[in-house]
Amino acid sequence: DAGVIQSPRHEVTEMGQEVTLRCKPISGHDYLFWYRQTMMRGLELLIYFNNNVPIDDSGMPEDRFSAKMPNASFSTLKIQPSEPRDSAVYFCASRPSGNTIYFGEGSWLTVV
Amino acid sequence: DQQVKQNSPSLSVQEGRISILNCDYTNSMFDYFLWYKKYPAEGPTFLISISSIKDKNEDGRFTVFLNKSAKHLSLHIVPSQPGDSAVYFCAVYTSGTYKYIFGTGTRLKVLA
Repeated sequence: DAGVIQSPRHEVTEMGQEVTLRCKPISGHDYLFWYRQTMMRGLELLIYFNNNVPIDDSGMPEDRFSAKMPNASFSTLKIQPSEPRDSAVYFCASRPSGNTIYFGEGSWLTVV
Repeated sequence: DQQVKQNSPSLSVQEGRISILNCDYTNSMFDYFLWYKKYPAEGPTFLISISSIKDKNEDGRFTVFLNKSAKHLSLHIVPSQPGDSAVYFCAVYTSGTYKYIFGTGTRLKVLA
């Protein structure tokens, strides 16, 4: 059974460029989460969706960040324009009807 | 303002001894608590959980303790094994919201 799939696994981009991270949740999971991992803040919740609808985006750091979930099997997190301080590991996770959420392997973003 | 704190960034323990990882939270509305384990270059994976109606939950070598009055959660690993070396995150949420909030993580190193 496939887990949460994220792409790209690694991205190096120049400051000012647009970055798009992609996520395919586990089939049948109705919640999808985007997290960012940094040394200082640990795993920081950016936004989460329920049945493709954004429920809470209070963790999105700035207007440069946006997330969409056009259907139950796909979500994107976009940063435009990117800045060096956006360098982090971005995780997508999904949740079935139980209490556990399942993470993807992460997208490592470096903005130079 | 961090709602979930793991005040020890790192911990070293001898193989076979007990590892105790701690987590403090600020909001008494949180009623479900989880621990996740993360190896380098992988996504976090679920380890053990507890609801607020209990004060202890065991699963093999792992036990989670909840002290609601102190707003404190701990994970005990007995006996510790080198394969337990990883970063451990605690997470909390309030039933009905499913807004999973994670701590900053504690890096556990089990010495052989």
